[in-house]
Amino acid sequence: EDQVTQSPEALRLQEGESSSLNCSYTVSGLRGLFWYRQDPGKGPEFLFTLYSAGEEKEKERLKATLTKKESFLHITAPKPEDSATYLCAVPPGGGSQGNLIFGKGTKLSVKP
Amino acid sequence: DGGITQSPKYLFRKEGQNVTLSCEQNLNHDAMYWYRQDPGQGLRLIYYSQIVNDFQKGDIAEGYSVSREKKESFPLTVTSAQKNPTAFYLCAHADTNTGELFFGEGSRLTVL
Repeated sequence: EDQVTQSPEALRLQEGESSSLNCSYTVSGLRGLFWYRQDPGKGPEFLFTLYSAGEEKEKERLKATLTKKESFLHITAPKPEDSATYLCAVPPGGGSQGNLIFGKGTKLSVKP
Repeated sequence: DGGITQSPKYLFRKEGQNVTLSCEQNLNHDAMYWYRQDPGQGLRLIYYSQIVNDFQKGDIAEGYSVSREKKESFPLTVTSAQKNPTAFYLCAHADTNTGELFFGEGSRLTVL
């Protein structure tokens, strides 16, 4: 069964304290892994797409990396405005069209 | 707004009433999706449509209905048959070249 698991469920950091969020997946024939940021009461905002193992993408204090079984979202010197829930998602395997399979997310809190 | 607008943002409904959530996109994308989000759970797919006048059930379609009469519009009706309709509903459209989903701001439905 295709599955996406994110850890930890919640992460509390002090401002400037770097850390990583994990997204592990089981899907045949990965056709992309997507990271989103979601603020309370808002829709998810697209961050990155990764397609192949070894690929990395960066945006401000965020860097996403991909291996054959998992992806990491590294947060360097976070600020309070980075507080949000981070979601990862993959398309279903087996050549299925349409929807993404989402993890339950990691809720990040950054304290000043 | 990512080219997609949901309305209303908040909606209250009495038990036994149907309610329709609006979703409009202006990027001329073929694929549109409805997800439901509950606390502590990942996004779950309700319905999706890849082309006008065609749509498919997702994982939790029971108690919901949709239509796709126009490319830009994909309304969702929450019927009285939906046993637990209180939730945050998210509409999305997709760039079919990349598989990336772009979400609206969401509609929060509360059943009184």
